[in-house]
Amino acid sequence: DGGITQSPKYLFRKEGQNVTLSCEQNLNHDAMYWYRQDPGQGLRLIYYSQIVNDFQKGDIAEGYSVSREKKESFPLTVTSAQKNPTAFYLCASSQPRTEMFKETQYFGPGTRLLVL
Amino acid sequence: GDSVTQMEGPVTLSEEAFLTINCTYTATGYPSLFWYVQYPGEGLQLLLKATKADDKGSNKGFEATYRKETTSFHLEKGSVQVSDSAVYFCALKDRNSGGSNYKLTFGKGTLLTVNP
Repeated sequence: DGGITQSPKYLFRKEGQNVTLSCEQNLNHDAMYWYRQDPGQGLRLIYYSQIVNDFQKGDIAEGYSVSREKKESFPLTVTSAQKNPTAFYLCASSQPRTEMFKETQYFGPGTRLLVL
Repeated sequence: GDSVTQMEGPVTLSEEAFLTINCTYTATGYPSLFWYVQYPGEGLQLLLKATKADDKGSNKGFEATYRKETTSFHLEKGSVQVSDSAVYFCALKDRNSGGSNYKLTFGKGTLLTVNP
């Protein structure tokens, strides 16, 4: 079955520590995204990548970094510079179309990050 | 900028009741509109979408009609079940030419609880 996998399901971070969240997709999608979800809030875009070896900052990129070395993988690193990292992190992918506004983004199951 | 406003929850209904979750939007262009559903502890799943005015999206008994004149995309279901208990997100994807048509803009979500 095609889909998006995220690991781990839960992740604990200590003060001053960088942690990396994994996102893998086998949908053969070119575009991938990272969103952050806080309680009672909608999703906010952290980073996105339209193609391998290229990525762009979203609305709340400070304190985060990404890489896109392979089409199927888009890991997110939460650095020590992110002072409030506790949140639910969701990865998504889509296949770009000529009419981009019609694209559908498909989401993974999420990783919950907690600070010790 | 773009924004989505959903009715505040939580919404609590009895099984077989009629459901409406209101959603209105502001967009610089002419967006596509989406409803996503999030079951407890999971990622988002696309429920339905509409890409132009007067389109009706439907899935699993849920419906929403794209109303350009009222900038609305209200979600409805005629008879809810306990299994429909989840958080529902309204979202838009704009088609403006400024290069940001990669982005989904989300509402804050509406928690629905259906009691037997």
